[in-house]
Amino acid sequence: EVQLVQSGAEVKKPGESLRISCRTSGYSFTNYWIGWVRQTPGKGLEWMGIIYPGDSDTRYSPSFQGQVTISADKSISTAYLQWSSLKASDTAMYYCARSTSLWTGGDYWGQGTLVTVSS
Amino acid sequence: QSALTQPASVSGSPGQSITISCTGTSSDVGGYNYVSWYQQPPGKAPKLMIYDVSNRPSGVSNRFSGSKSANTASLTISGLQAEDEADYYCSAYTSSSTVVFGGGTKLTVL
Repeated sequence: EVQLVQSGAEVKKPGESLRISCRTSGYSFTNYWIGWVRQTPGKGLEWMGIIYPGDSDTRYSPSFQGQVTISADKSISTAYLQWSSLKASDTAMYYCARSTSLWTGGDYWGQGTLVTVSS
Repeated sequence: QSALTQPASVSGSPGQSITISCTGTSSDVGGYNYVSWYQQPPGKAPKLMIYDVSNRPSGVSNRFSGSKSANTASLTISGLQAEDEADYYCSAYTSSSTVVFGGGTKLTVL
């Protein structure tokens, strides 16, 4: 059974760093893309970027380029989304999703990680 | 890149059919047959309902169908049921090798 299990909710202060994870199982991690999607409270979905763990090919939305880093650890079938300096505007729910290709939709999704940034 | 344009809300009675539109440009919706649709019930993760414009993943009801004409894609739900009430989002691959979502549409089953 394909599963994407995300790390738990986080409460951080502005300026702090953070890395959230998406642990996968039930399929070959290196043969599928893993994307990250942001959803701010009461708002819609925003595509942040995507990584192909097989060769670490990574693409970012222009809106998130330079703001976050997407990475993957093949040895533990886990993808990551990280910030070096959080802002209050980063408060949101973050989802990871598996895709068979760069252009195909996410067929399996994680349960979401709520990140709250507040002083 | 701008978000794709969806109506903020649509509604229908049980048994009826509804259509949700998703309008982009020739650089995304119109340029590729890579439009997906997602269903998101309140408080839950999105679920893929349609990919590559008109294909249904295994397990998705055939009441859901997708199509595209020029720069506008559409999701049609026939035989509307109470359980279909949710937010619906479209997404499309872009000429920048990225993906863009629509703003979302709230479906109310009357």
